Amino acid sequence: EAGVVQSPRYKIIEKKQPVAFWCNPISGHNTLYWYLQNLGQGPELLIRYENEEAVDDSQLPKDRFSAERLKGVDSTLKIQPAELGDSAVYLCASSTRDRGYSGELFFGEGSRLTVL
Amino acid sequence: GNSVTQMEGPVTLSEEAFLTINCTYTATGYPSLFWYVQYPGEGLQLLLKATKADDKGSNKGFEATYRKETTSFHLEKGSVQVSDSAVYFCALTSGTYKYIFGTGTRLKVLA
Repeated sequence: EAGVVQSPRYKIIEKKQPVAFWCNPISGHNTLYWYLQNLGQGPELLIRYENEEAVDDSQLPKDRFSAERLKGVDSTLKIQPAELGDSAVYLCASSTRDRGYSGELFFGEGSRLTVL
Repeated sequence: GNSVTQMEGPVTLSEEAFLTINCTYTATGYPSLFWYVQYPGEGLQLLLKATKADDKGSNKGFEATYRKETTSFHLEKGSVQVSDSAVYFCALTSGTYKYIFGTGTRLKVLA
């Protein structure tokens, strides 16, 4: 079974440029998360989807960040325009609701963004 | 609000040494507790979990016991190997699908 796939693995852009990250969750996982991981810190939730619905986006900076999950499968996280402080690793994770809230999260390898 | 506090790293040990990484939490209700591990160049993966008080999670020689009286979930291993070198994250979720992660503890095991 394929794991959570993210792309690109690395992205270097100049400030004020747009950037997008893509995530393909594990087949059948209806819950999808985007996390932000700063250097030396733990993951922090940006947004959680249940199927195609964003059910928790309270931590997403909506002035520059947007996300979508078309057809409840793949998801894209966009930043426009990027700022220097956005340099971080963006993690995607998925899980199946069938396991309840104590279920395991399955993470992708992450997309490392560097803003110059 | 809910939070997780874990010991700062890096932790450097010799091979076959005993490992303890401390984790304490603050949460309402009865959280489920987790340890995730991140090997170099890889994504986080679940190492072990415990869903109620006094449960012991175990995997790959690692153990952690859910202690409600001390709000702790310390990670232990009796004999570490070089291959255990990684970053370890303590995490919790409490009645929702929102997971709270600690800041991570880097472990380096020397041969």
